[in-house]
Amino acid sequence: NAGVMQNPRHLVRRRGQEARLRCSPMKGHSHVYWYRQLPEEGLKFMVYLQKENIIDESGMPKERFSAEFPKEGPSILRIQQVVRGDSAAYFCASSPRLARSGANVLTFGAGSRLTVL
Amino acid sequence: GESVGLHLPTLSVQEGDNSIINCAYSNSASDYFIWYKQESGKGPQFIIDIRSNMDKRQGQRVTVLLNKTVKHLSLQIAATQPGDSAVYFCAELNAGKSTFGDGTTLTVKP
Repeated sequence: NAGVMQNPRHLVRRRGQEARLRCSPMKGHSHVYWYRQLPEEGLKFMVYLQKENIIDESGMPKERFSAEFPKEGPSILRIQQVVRGDSAAYFCASSPRLARSGANVLTFGAGSRLTVL
Repeated sequence: GESVGLHLPTLSVQEGDNSIINCAYSNSASDYFIWYKQESGKGPQFIIDIRSNMDKRQGQRVTVLLNKTVKHLSLQIAATQPGDSAVYFCAELNAGKSTFGDGTTLTVKP
């Protein structure tokens, strides 16, 4: 079991470009969560998805950010027209079902580090 | 709104000593409270959790204490080792969503 796979691990973009971050959940996991971590800060919830459905996107900025988790393939976090403030580590986590206990706790990937020049 | 925060941003302990990392939370409706460990360049890793109707839970070398009266959570690490050096986050789980605090950096001195 390869765990939660995120790619790319590091991504450099210039202001105005698009960033696409991919997350493949653990085998058998149907729930994906995206978190953003600014330097020296904690993880901020962005969005929670099931296959083909966005369940909770209360942490997603209203503009430029979108996420999807198609029936086939990885979950994608897309940031359009990136700005310097988007520079952060973006972590994906997965769970086999709705995380209702610490036991079916989130399994995190190693993160994708976005740097906007 | 919900918030989970930590009292101290950094903690330095001597190898072999016990460590206590604290966390304050504000959402009384949370179902579970969870501690994560994050090493440099890696994603958070689950350490231990505690259900909201419990006040203590023990794992291997770790104990989590929950005081709902003052909305306080703590992680105790016994006989701290150099490999315990990391950032520790508390998180509260509510309606399927985990909300994280800002983290405490634990440094273990040899």
